[in-house]
Amino acid sequence: ETGVTQSPTHLIKTRGQQVTLRCSSQSGHNTVSWYQQALGQGPQFIFQYYREEENGRGNFPPRFSGLQFPNYSSELNVNALELDDSALYLCASSLLAVTTGELFFGEGSRLTVL
Amino acid sequence: TQLLEQSPQFLSIQEGENLTVYCNSSSVFSSLQWYRQEPGEGPVLLVTVVTGGEVKKLKRLTFQFGDARKDSSLHITAAQTGDTGLYLCAGVDNTGKLIFGQGTTLQVKP
Repeated sequence: ETGVTQSPTHLIKTRGQQVTLRCSSQSGHNTVSWYQQALGQGPQFIFQYYREEENGRGNFPPRFSGLQFPNYSSELNVNALELDDSALYLCASSLLAVTTGELFFGEGSRLTVL
Repeated sequence: TQLLEQSPQFLSIQEGENLTVYCNSSSVFSSLQWYRQEPGEGPVLLVTVVTGGEVKKLKRLTFQFGDARKDSSLHITAAQTGDTGLYLCAGVDNTGKLIFGQGTTLQVKP
């Protein structure tokens, strides 16, 4: 176990709705990264948070937004859901100072948009 | 944009066979990582290679980093059904973020 927990594990939404996914990072880790993973594909970087500030963003539209809290836990919010948003959303925690970029992943939140 | 390309994308073999998965890029990476992901779970780090030409072994798994630090390979000897999963290579891009290849799905049949 990595110590990274995500909730909920599964959820179903309809097109146009909004969703919030939550992540608790591993103890001592100050950085949280979010990834979107389609079935059988590699994870795609959404954004990263460090000390409650966004610290880099991938090629995702503004309707994907996030927060990091003082305890380093994080939320991913997606507005105006589209069918293509159906995927596994992975949260990973790390220490920003580790330049090799090693990440510790949670088990993910499986989002289905109907 | 730095990209990591893995091959093959899908591999189905019998238990006991050997296999090699490749991860290639046109860009230099300061380090590369290999992760393994099982269905319903997040990726789990297997190894990080840092030095060009480096070889690391993890039981039946052998990882190699290319001399020019643009490519890496994962070789599994005598595959077992428990090796089944999605294998991902990843590297830190020039913005400092970890990017992944598209993955290799390995199926080991008994």
